[in-house]
Amino acid sequence: QKEVEQNSGPLSVPEGAIASLNCTYSDRGSQSFFWYRQYSGKSPELIMFIYSNGDKEDGRFTAQLNKASQYVSLLIRDSQPSDSATYLCAVSSDRGSTLGRLYFGRGTQLTVWP
Amino acid sequence: DADVTQTPRNRITKTGKRIMLECSQTKGHDRMYWYRQDPGLGLRLIYYSFDVKDINKGEISDGYSVSRQAQAKFSLSLESAIPNQTALYFCATSDLKDSGNTIYFGEGSWLTVV
Repeated sequence: QKEVEQNSGPLSVPEGAIASLNCTYSDRGSQSFFWYRQYSGKSPELIMFIYSNGDKEDGRFTAQLNKASQYVSLLIRDSQPSDSATYLCAVSSDRGSTLGRLYFGRGTQLTVWP
Repeated sequence: DADVTQTPRNRITKTGKRIMLECSQTKGHDRMYWYRQDPGLGLRLIYYSFDVKDINKGEISDGYSVSRQAQAKFSLSLESAIPNQTALYFCATSDLKDSGNTIYFGEGSWLTVV
């Protein structure tokens, strides 16, 4: 069973602060990692994906990957109230019959207060 | 128009009834999925299909069946609905050639079994 664990939350930060969301995974062979944002009652939407160790930046979002520690994080700089949502971490299997399947964490609920 | 379309968007049905949720996509992706989402449990995979002739069970397939009628169409059936199948259901698509197998979700179908 492939496990994807996220910090349980909820996480609450003031407007303008940095929000840090964390995710660990059990399958050391995983190669692709994704962060999705989901507003209440809506479908998840992709924020970004990362393959390589290190940081990947897209606007106010930075994904960080450390395969040795089996850890992936998402930083949101200058957090805005519109960032209030549930953030889902997903990890792609690269093995055998489950090749290409995504395994999702349960999500971390973020609230950004004005 | 949405790339991944689910019908119906909302449905209330009675225990024991058969119900079908339909999904169609215009993204040209080979891979299609059905997930359900319950509060606190995250996204759970019901069935997935990597091409028209391929159907695979996910984590929670009991009580569900699927049909892949064409590359663009993937339907989910509840043969005899029960109240604990009340949930938000998502159809999704992906392709290994598209952003490393990023999953794209439909808008969701709210199903209530009374």
